[in-house]
Amino acid sequence: DTEVTQTPKHLVMGMTNKKSLKCEQHMGHRAMYWYKQKAKKPPELMFVYSYEKLSINESVPSRFSPECPNSSLLNLHLHALQPEDSALYLCASSQVPAGITYEQYFGPGTRLTVT
Amino acid sequence: GENVEQHPSTLSVQEGDSAVIKCTYSDSASNYFPWYKQELGKRPQLIIDIRSNVGEKKDQRIAVTLNKTAKHFSLHITETQPEDSAVYFCAAPYNNNDMRFGAGTRLTVKP
Repeated sequence: DTEVTQTPKHLVMGMTNKKSLKCEQHMGHRAMYWYKQKAKKPPELMFVYSYEKLSINESVPSRFSPECPNSSLLNLHLHALQPEDSALYLCASSQVPAGITYEQYFGPGTRLTVT
Repeated sequence: GENVEQHPSTLSVQEGDSAVIKCTYSDSASNYFPWYKQELGKRPQLIIDIRSNVGEKKDQRIAVTLNKTAKHFSLHITETQPEDSAVYFCAAPYNNNDMRFGAGTRLTVKP
């Protein structure tokens, strides 16, 4: 299984809502990532988990809260988002933790719209 | 990403021609350079990558060259086909724990 899955595919939420994005991989990868991608822009790294521990937080606002319950799952909890947070949120995983020197496998993304 | 510059931003070629996309990076410690293809509404997919211990890598119609001294690497696509049309991103590690992407190149292959 060489796939990263993400749910939901689409999400529309109001600024007062609380929602979560989910990501799963069964490739035995020990590094998992959250990226944000705005239209016509490259992916921007948000968080990196290595061996289920948060190793990178790219100064992301606290309204985004990541969680890695186990080595296969990665969540992104959303609360009090702003319309400018609307974007494609991509999850990725790779073999090597705490290092970006191996192929990252991307999930299909969750397209988030904040109204 | 500010540490990876990518050119051109758009590229239009005739089917069968070659396409070249170039990237420069700033972190001299970077040692892994992937190229991703992203079709509209789809996820980025790795098409080729190169490590710093080699200068060139080829996979059928796709090749990547690396010049560590000059800190630049290039994607070469030969015999382009309409299905090669997509946005291509280069990427490079930064500070050994961050992956920075180039701004992307929109390639259009005209039949």
